[in-house]
Amino acid sequence: DTGVSQDPRHKITKRGQNVTFRCDPISEHNRLYWYRQTLGQGPEFLTYFQNEAQLEKSRLLSDRFSAERPKGSFSTLEIQRTEQGDSAMYLCASSPTGVQGYTFGSGTRLTVV
Amino acid sequence: GENVEQHPSTLSVQEGDSAVIKCTYSDSASNYFPWYKQELGKGPQLIIDIRSNVGEKKDQRIAVTLNKTAKHFSLHITETQPEDSAVYFCAAKTSYDKVIFGPGTSLSVIP
Repeated sequence: DTGVSQDPRHKITKRGQNVTFRCDPISEHNRLYWYRQTLGQGPEFLTYFQNEAQLEKSRLLSDRFSAERPKGSFSTLEIQRTEQGDSAMYLCASSPTGVQGYTFGSGTRLTVV
Repeated sequence: GENVEQHPSTLSVQEGDSAVIKCTYSDSASNYFPWYKQELGKGPQLIIDIRSNVGEKKDQRIAVTLNKTAKHFSLHITETQPEDSAVYFCAAKTSYDKVIFGPGTSLSVIP
């Protein structure tokens, strides 16, 4: 098991474009979390899944953001009509049920120009 | 909702000295308090955690303490080494099963 994998590692996009990130959790981890981290700040919760069900979404997740986990394995986070304020590190984490601690991936760094 | 504060924001210590990072949380229902270490270009890594029914936990050079009454918890690193240099985040898990992070402490260990 190679841990939580995120793709791409870096993404530069023009304002107004759509972007999609992928997260592959540790196999058999049924919980998957998305966080956003800006420079000098702690990660901010965006949303989480238990299997394929999206159980909670932060107010930070505007209607331009959508996350899916169609088969309870990998997840995608899409941002439509990107804005400069979307520039951040997008982190994915996973955990098995009953285990409190998360394992994070290395993140996808998004730069909107 | 839960809010986690963390101090100091930066900390510089000599190699071999101790480092202490302090956090407070607002939601009395929080029951799990993890600490993460983040190195440049990497995601946060869980280094130690404590549950609300425990007052103190130690793992080699790292220890955490929790004061539920005051809603304070702290990370203590003894005999610091240069490889301890990183950003450290405290966090609290609410009853809604999400972890809320503090703003982070940048620790520099000077050889």
